[in-house]
Amino acid sequence: AQKVTQAQTEISVVEKEDVTLDCVYETRDTTYYLFWYKQPPSGELVFLIRRNSFDEQNEISGRYSWNFQKSTSSFNFTITASQVVDSAVYFCALSEYSGGGADGLTFGKGTHLIIQP
Amino acid sequence: SAVISQKPSRDICQRGTSLTIQCQVDSQVTMMFWYRQQPGQSLTLIATANQGSEATYESGFVIDKFPISRPNLTFSTLTVSNMSPEDSSIYLCSVATSGGTDTQYFGPGTRLTVL
Repeated sequence: AQKVTQAQTEISVVEKEDVTLDCVYETRDTTYYLFWYKQPPSGELVFLIRRNSFDEQNEISGRYSWNFQKSTSSFNFTITASQVVDSAVYFCALSEYSGGGADGLTFGKGTHLIIQP
Repeated sequence: SAVISQKPSRDICQRGTSLTIQCQVDSQVTMMFWYRQQPGQSLTLIATANQGSEATYESGFVIDKFPISRPNLTFSTLTVSNMSPEDSSIYLCSVATSGGTDTQYFGPGTRLTVL
């Protein structure tokens, strides 16, 4: 069975610092998808990125970057020059592929990121 | 991405009653999912709801407690039956977009409190 581990329960940094959120996953499938979602205090779940298992290319989107390493089963998320608005709970998630489409997501426990002004 | 709405947005219910949550999408989607987020916790998949077939439930969730309907490609309901305070959670639906992307987008959630 698949599993997602986010070992960092809570991280607190001062604004403008860089911060990396760790995600380690387990799956027996060779085809799978990895996701990051943001859940701000308002509660909605905001999609940030999706990566499939055959694409190990790292990605950068503005201040956000993601490092996918199959060798270590990790999909880490870095925020550069953090801002107070980045304060939220961040979830890493995994979806296996059953052939008929993506399966439901297995979520990590989430990392509560606090950006102090 | 799809625009997803849920009704009700929140509710307070009495023990032993049932609540039906609606999920509406602005476009046709093949796969819809229901999740539960208990207070301060992560999200847990309840079931997968595909149009034209029975919902597929995850371990620990049963149809008698969480019956699901999926009458068409834009709508689904989740009923929380015979509620107890332990059912107090946020219930979220999500949809997987077509076109090979399979990204899951989430509705705003239904915050349920059972007294």
